[in-house]
Amino acid sequence: GAVVSQHPSWVICKSGTSVKIECRSLDFQATTMFWYRQFPKQSLMLMATSNEGSKATYEQGVEKDKFLINHASLTLSTLTVTSAHPEDSSFYICSATTGFRYGYTFGSGTRLTVV
Amino acid sequence: KQEVTQIPAALSVPEGENLVLNCSFTDSAIYNLQWFRQDPGKGLTSLLLIQSSQREQTSGRLNASLDKSSGRSTLYIAASQPGDSATYLCAANSGNTPLVFGKGTRLSVIA
Repeated sequence: GAVVSQHPSWVICKSGTSVKIECRSLDFQATTMFWYRQFPKQSLMLMATSNEGSKATYEQGVEKDKFLINHASLTLSTLTVTSAHPEDSSFYICSATTGFRYGYTFGSGTRLTVV
Repeated sequence: KQEVTQIPAALSVPEGENLVLNCSFTDSAIYNLQWFRQDPGKGLTSLLLIQSSQREQTSGRLNASLDKSSGRSTLYIAASQPGDSATYLCAANSGNTPLVFGKGTRLSVIA
């Protein structure tokens, strides 16, 4: 079945630094990848949608200059949290699909803690 | 805009019971409805995917149904086990839109 690999699984960083999270589709080409954010005991909130080779589409309220998304190939998307602050601490999950009519596969998530 | 609601928010049952989790959605023009399982601190595991032309899907002890006209889906778990304890998320997408998630049902199966 379709597999999405997400790294790192957890990261601790200091305030003001940047953190990059990678999302790879291992056995399929993902036309679209998504980045979600999840706070404790809350559901997943979509942050942005990215298509290979084009700029990401951000949801309302998500700062695109803070959460940089790059979708350089059909198998790789990255999310960079720039100038991280403690309020950015959260669980970030990526998802990939070959098309909106098909199922979505999710990565295992990244726990970001900013100290 | 699609909205997904799940009830109950939490459920505790003794081992061996059959149970039903409910999901409702507002836009009946969905492409897919997907049920996921999430263990604490972990990512999402896809359980069942129901495409718009389908009415149900089954996998082992799990059965998910879809009724587009009423905007509802149910996840039926037969003979529940302690290992089934997790949060179950329902999500739907319509048109060229990403999945929209419900807030989930936290299930505890007591041995």
